[in-house]
Amino acid sequence: GAVVSQHPSRVICKSGTSVKIECRSLDFQATTMFWYRQFPKKSLMLMATSNEGSKATYEQGVEKDKFLINHASLTLSTLTVTSAHPEDSSFYICSAGTPNQGYTFGSGTRLTVV
Amino acid sequence: GEDVEQSLFLSVREGDSSVINCTYTDSSSTYLYWYKQEPGAGLQLLTYIFSNMDMKQDQRLTVLLNKKDKHLSLRIADTQTGDSAIYFCAEGYGQNFVFGPGTRLSVLP
Repeated sequence: GAVVSQHPSRVICKSGTSVKIECRSLDFQATTMFWYRQFPKKSLMLMATSNEGSKATYEQGVEKDKFLINHASLTLSTLTVTSAHPEDSSFYICSAGTPNQGYTFGSGTRLTVV
Repeated sequence: GEDVEQSLFLSVREGDSSVINCTYTDSSSTYLYWYKQEPGAGLQLLTYIFSNMDMKQDQRLTVLLNKKDKHLSLRIADTQTGDSAIYFCAEGYGQNFVFGPGTRLSVLP
């Protein structure tokens, strides 16, 4: 079945630094990748929709200059949290796929900013 | 590791009930969720159930949880064409999620 690899699974970084999270579709090509963030005791929040070769579409309230998304190929999308702050600490998860074949979730990344 | 399984496809006739099933392995799950994803759109949280509950009903949606068998189901009454989508089951423990592969529900006229 379709496998989506998300890396790293856990990362700790210092305030002010940037951290990159990768989302790879291992055995299929994903025209669309979604990035989600989970807030404590709440459901997942869609951050942005990323289509290969075009700019990501950000949801209202998500700062595109802070959360840089690059979907350079059909198998890789990256989310870079720039100038991270402690309030950016969260669980980030991607999903990848196509409208016809459906979507598969990555295993998520726990980001802690200290 | 933790695992969540679902059947990949389900077809029902408009007006019938749909039942989407899910099994999970992690007995420490605190919440179990059902999400809906329509074509081209992101996830939409449909409903969730706390792990110490057996059933939750919300309008046309009924969630049943059998904690002993680690089995979760979502029943959609009077299924409509607008219910055609992919439905994801997810288990939550702490602040982490594990998602199932999704069940594609097709509603036939």
